[in-house]
Amino acid sequence: EAQVTQNPRYLITVTGKKLTVTCSQNMNHEYMSWYRQDPGLGLRQIYYSMNVEVTDKGDVPEGYKVSRKEKRNFPLILESPSPNQTSLYFCASSIDRERYGYTFGSGTRLTVV
Amino acid sequence: KNQVEQSPQSLIILEGKNCTLQCNYTVSPFSNLRWYKQDTGRGPVSLTIMTFSENTKSNGRYTATLDADTKQSSLHITASQLSDSASYICVVSAGGFTSYGKLTFGQGTILTVHP
Repeated sequence: EAQVTQNPRYLITVTGKKLTVTCSQNMNHEYMSWYRQDPGLGLRQIYYSMNVEVTDKGDVPEGYKVSRKEKRNFPLILESPSPNQTSLYFCASSIDRERYGYTFGSGTRLTVV
Repeated sequence: KNQVEQSPQSLIILEGKNCTLQCNYTVSPFSNLRWYKQDTGRGPVSLTIMTFSENTKSNGRYTATLDADTKQSSLHITASQLSDSASYICVVSAGGFTSYGKLTFGQGTILTVHP
């Protein structure tokens, strides 16, 4: 089944403890991106990647890192999480950024205490 | 500043009834407009994508319209079902060299269908 898989689905962590949220797609998509979704703010892009080893900042990149060493994987790294990064996170992939719909993962609900 | 405004914020209808959701945007240059359905706690699922030359596109009981001149789109849901209860998100993709493919998301309309 074509899908974007995120792990974990739920995560509670403490301030400052480094964490990684994994994202993997099995559709050979070039484009991948990360979003956070907060009440009243909608979806906001954190980082995106046009292809392997090509990443760029979205609208809210502060406090996050990403890497794209393989086409299928695009992990989101929080080096020192803070409570304002408590949010619902989505990974998405697409054939390209422009013309095709995005396939989203099921989401990761992160709570930083 | 590129913006996407959706209305209403929330809507309650009875099962079997039709409804229309609105989306106004100021994204320029415009490339395409997408409608997504998001069930609570799940990732958005694509319903339609329309370029500026397309006026209407259907996906089952969902019909999206686009007026690129007035920068307005609507999503019409026919014969609503309980499973239509979700958030509907309008997303506009920018064109142009520097902003190519950049998405601007609306905040969504929460639709609740009651039996």
